[in-house]
Formats: sequence, C-alpha cells, structure tokens
Amino acid sequence: DQQVKQNSPSLSVQEGRISILNCDYTNSMFDYFLWYKKYPAEGPTFLISISSIKDKNEDGRFTVFLNKSAKHLSLHIVPSQPGDSAVYFCAAKNSGGSNYKLTFGKGTLLTVNP
Amino acid sequence: DAGVTQSPTHLIKTRGQQVTLRCSPISGHKSVSWYQQVLGQGPQFIFQYYEKEERGRGNFPDRFSARQFPNYSSELNVNALLLGDSALYLCASSLLGVNPTSNQPQHFGDGTRLSIL
Repeated sequence: DQQVKQNSPSLSVQEGRISILNCDYTNSMFDYFLWYKKYPAEGPTFLISISSIKDKNEDGRFTVFLNKSAKHLSLHIVPSQPGDSAVYFCAAKNSGGSNYKLTFGKGTLLTVNP
Repeated sequence: DAGVTQSPTHLIKTRGQQVTLRCSPISGHKSVSWYQQVLGQGPQFIFQYYEKEERGRGNFPDRFSARQFPNYSSELNVNALLLGDSALYLCASSLLGVNPTSNQPQHFGDGTRLSIL
C-alpha cells in the first residue's frame, strides 16, 4: 500500500521556467512533509519541509504548497536551473507516532534543459 | 562540518553470507535511522535508534538487526543474505530529542551499495 505517491516518474522543463513536482498521500495522520533531492551515487539531500499547520513554505527558489483537504503537496522551483536535474522524493511523517519514520514516494526525475 | 558518513561505499556478497554496514551521524545528532532503497523505489524505513535504544522498526525480517554505540554511531547487520537484499542502504541522522513530535529533517549519507551474487 503506497501511502505517498508521486505519479509522475519524470518531468522535463526548460531552464528559467517553473518546475512543479507533485505528491499525494493517503494517510491522514501524516502531518510533516519533506522534499529531498537525489543525484546519482549520492544520498538524498534535504531541500525543504512543511508542517501541516501551514499551507506554504518558501526557501529561495523552492516553495512547497500543502493542500490538506486534498492530501496533496507540490514543490515549485523557480527559476529552474540545469543543476536542479535530479530525482526528487516526497516524504511524510506522522508526528504522533512513536518514532521518526519517514515514508517516501517513488520519486520524480526532473530534467532541466539548457 | 562533516555530514553523515557511511562505510563501505560498495560491497559484494554471496547468498547466505552476513554483512555489517556502518554509519557515523552528524556531530551532535543522537538519532540514527536506516533505510533500504531498491532500484526505482523510494527509501524504505528499516530501523530508528535514539540514545542507543531502538525506537522504531519497519517491515523487515529478523535477519535485519542494528545497534547504536555510545558515540551515536550505528551498525546495520543483515544475516543469511538473499538476492533480494541487493539495494542501496542509507543511514540518516537528525537533531532530535526524545519527543518524536519534534519536526527536524533527517540528513542522509551517500549510502552503501550492497550487491548479492
């Protein structure tokens, strides 16, 4: 049972344009969400997070939006740069649980073309 | 500052063997988690340790075990290796207290690539 879903395996955008990566979740107990970026042969790098008490969080070129009623979040990258080309993972956590387990989606491969 | 370090980076084993993977967390981080990532999937939670105690376990068989040392480093052990254990094993550390409601991101190492022949 996939509790965190990234339905787009890949996304291609032009340099300078906006990249929008989407993530859906089914577990209503999730209340903390994170985005990670992963280059080949490296571990995931933390990008940005959002708590369920907010609907938007911004950090430089990266903005995460959370729609709790739709159980949907998205990551916006503006403007996109070729160095942003990587696999992006959405992850979620239940803060009311007994541990710090993160549940990940399968990832979306973003390619930013020069 | 050094990030999460894992060793070895690559490992080749045969079925039935045992393997130990090592992880050193970011300085000051007391919580360590282990994840398994197979090709085409996101990381899957295996274990979480805090202050040398197991605080969580994912849906993995008893062949998987781990421990955390007084310096907060950690080892993941896998016995009786199967072909399906071939994966990237990731260690993550976080600046967390006892309360899991504290929302701090987990920071990952580059992983150990384990191949089973």
